[in-house]
Amino acid sequence: DVKVTQSSRYLVKRTGEKVFLECVQDMDHENMFWYRQDPGLGLRLIYFSYDVKMKEKGDIPEGYSVSREKKERFSLILESASTNQTSMYLCASSPSGAGSLIEQYFGPGTRLTVT
Amino acid sequence: AQTVTQSQPEMSVQEAETVTLSCTYDTSESDYYLFWYKQPPSRQMILVIRQEAYKQQNATENRFSVNFQKAAKSFSLKISDSQLGDAAMYFCAYRSALSGYALNFGKGTSLLVTP
Repeated sequence: DVKVTQSSRYLVKRTGEKVFLECVQDMDHENMFWYRQDPGLGLRLIYFSYDVKMKEKGDIPEGYSVSREKKERFSLILESASTNQTSMYLCASSPSGAGSLIEQYFGPGTRLTVT
Repeated sequence: AQTVTQSQPEMSVQEAETVTLSCTYDTSESDYYLFWYKQPPSRQMILVIRQEAYKQQNATENRFSVNFQKAAKSFSLKISDSQLGDAAMYFCAYRSALSGYALNFGKGTSLLVTP
């Protein structure tokens, strides 16, 4: 079974702190994603990566950056946390494969509170 | 960007009954993939069912089936013989066949199952 793990289930940080959210997948997937989930807004894509050291902006990248130094690990970084970044953060991974019904596998999520 | 709309924020169904969750999407592409994901309370997001746009036959997975109407850009999920374990947030998602592996999600429908 595919396993996607996230470093913390719950995290409380103060405004202005630098925050690291870590995601690890164990299935050698090429693609990794960070989403933000807010009530009434669904999931919104922050950043994604198709390969090591490669990243692409999603729909809401402002205030975030990412790092992918190893294939299995994808980090989301909040350079200076703000209260409007209080949210649930979901990591996902998927294999590559042209023209196929590839699904994404999700981690359990990190609920981040910024005070 | 493609827009996915789930017009029902909340739905309720009695155990053993059938419920249909609606999803519409907006795209100018002819080739794409559609997904329904389930997120149980405090648990990981999992794939329920998926559909390739070029296939006219509706996908079925046990008690879950879809009604895919390509011309109407509609992709509804039918849950038959509802069970208490079906209670969850359900998200409809769209993936382009041309532009990578990222998903566009709807805002979700919260399904309540009553005994």
